[in-house]
Amino acid sequence: QQQVKQSPQSLIVQKGGISIINCAYENTAFDYFPWYQQFPGKGPALLIAIRPDVSEKKEGRFTISFNKSAKQFSLHIMDSQPGDSATYFCAAGPGGSQGNLIFGKGTKLSVKP
Amino acid sequence: AAGVIQSPRHLIKEKRETATLKCYPIPRHDTVYWYQQGPGQDPQFLISFYEKMQSDKGSIPDRFSAQQFSDYHSELNMSSLELGDSALYFCASSHRDFHHTEQFFGPGTRLTVL
Repeated sequence: QQQVKQSPQSLIVQKGGISIINCAYENTAFDYFPWYQQFPGKGPALLIAIRPDVSEKKEGRFTISFNKSAKQFSLHIMDSQPGDSATYFCAAGPGGSQGNLIFGKGTKLSVKP
Repeated sequence: AAGVIQSPRHLIKEKRETATLKCYPIPRHDTVYWYQQGPGQDPQFLISFYEKMQSDKGSIPDRFSAQQFSDYHSELNMSSLELGDSALYFCASSHRDFHHTEQFFGPGTRLTVL
């Protein structure tokens, strides 16, 4: 059973466009929701994270929107650039104490010049 | 800024051999996590340690064991290797803090079992 469902599986966006990746979770005990960016053969790099006490968090071109009642959260990449082409993983975990992350299946983003 | 260090970066083993992967967390981080990522897959949690004690256990095979040492580095020991163990193995570290549990991943060890 996939505890964190991510969509779409792949995404093609033109340079300068907005990339949107969605995730849904089931476990209401989750209270920490990070997004990771991964390039081929590299480790996942933490991009941005949110906790359920806020509905939106923005860092540069990256924004997380969080809907606690719907148990959904999304990543928006504004002004997408070819260098953003990578695989993006959402994750969820019981933040605040030890807690492994449960990852979504990933979204392969391609930004066309 | 210092990052998580993993060694070796690449490892090739034969079936039924053993392998040891090492992880050196970010300085002052007290928690280490191990993840396995198959080709085209998401990272799957294996095991974690806090202050040298196992804190959580995921889908780690019985053939694998791990520990965290007094200097907080961790080692993942894998025995009786199988073809299906071929994957990227990531270590992540964090500092246990009620307000701050960001996990930072290392570059990974690519294990190939022939």
